[in-house]
Amino acid sequence: DQQVKQNSPSLSVQEGRISILNCDYTNSMFDYFLWYKKYPAEGPTFLISISSIKDKNEDGRFTVFLNKSAKHLSLHIVPSQPGDSAVYFCAAHAGGTSYGKLTFGQGTILTVHP
Amino acid sequence: DAGVTQSPTHLIKTRGQQVTLRCSPKSGHDTVSWYQQALGQGPQFIFQYYEEEERQRGNFPDRFSGHQFPNYSSELNVNALLLGDSALYLCASSWQKLNYGYTFGSGTRLTVV
Repeated sequence: DQQVKQNSPSLSVQEGRISILNCDYTNSMFDYFLWYKKYPAEGPTFLISISSIKDKNEDGRFTVFLNKSAKHLSLHIVPSQPGDSAVYFCAAHAGGTSYGKLTFGQGTILTVHP
Repeated sequence: DAGVTQSPTHLIKTRGQQVTLRCSPKSGHDTVSWYQQALGQGPQFIFQYYEEEERQRGNFPDRFSGHQFPNYSSELNVNALLLGDSALYLCASSWQKLNYGYTFGSGTRLTVV
């Protein structure tokens, strides 16, 4: 039962353009969403997050949008840079007694070409 | 400030053997979670330890067990290894009062042959 899905295994964009990474979820109990970036041989690094009570959160070049009715979130990177090339994971946290359990998507490989 | 430290970085074991992976949390963190990341997949939650007790567990068999020590460091033990246990094992630490502030280690790559 894949509760968090990233349907695009890979994305290729030109430097300076916008990168849009998508994530869908099925569990209505998710109350907090996070994006992680992962380079080879390193652990996931936190990028940006959003609470379910908001629909947008912005941090520099990174913006996350949340559409609760569609159970969909997206990460926008503008402008994209070659150093952004990595695997991006969407993760979700359910409220209540789920404590620290994060449910991850399968990841999207982003390649930014110079 | 050291982040999350995991050891060893790589490990090769034979089917049926047992393995112990270790994790030292980031300074100031008191909670440790373990994740399994199979090739081409996202990390999957194994369990979380807080105050030396298992607080929550994911959908993993009892062959997977853990421990947290008074200094907050943690071990993940896997018994009767199967080929399917080959994966990257990630440790994430956090501060119990800040539920979303997870910091991940670089992981231990376990290969079962």
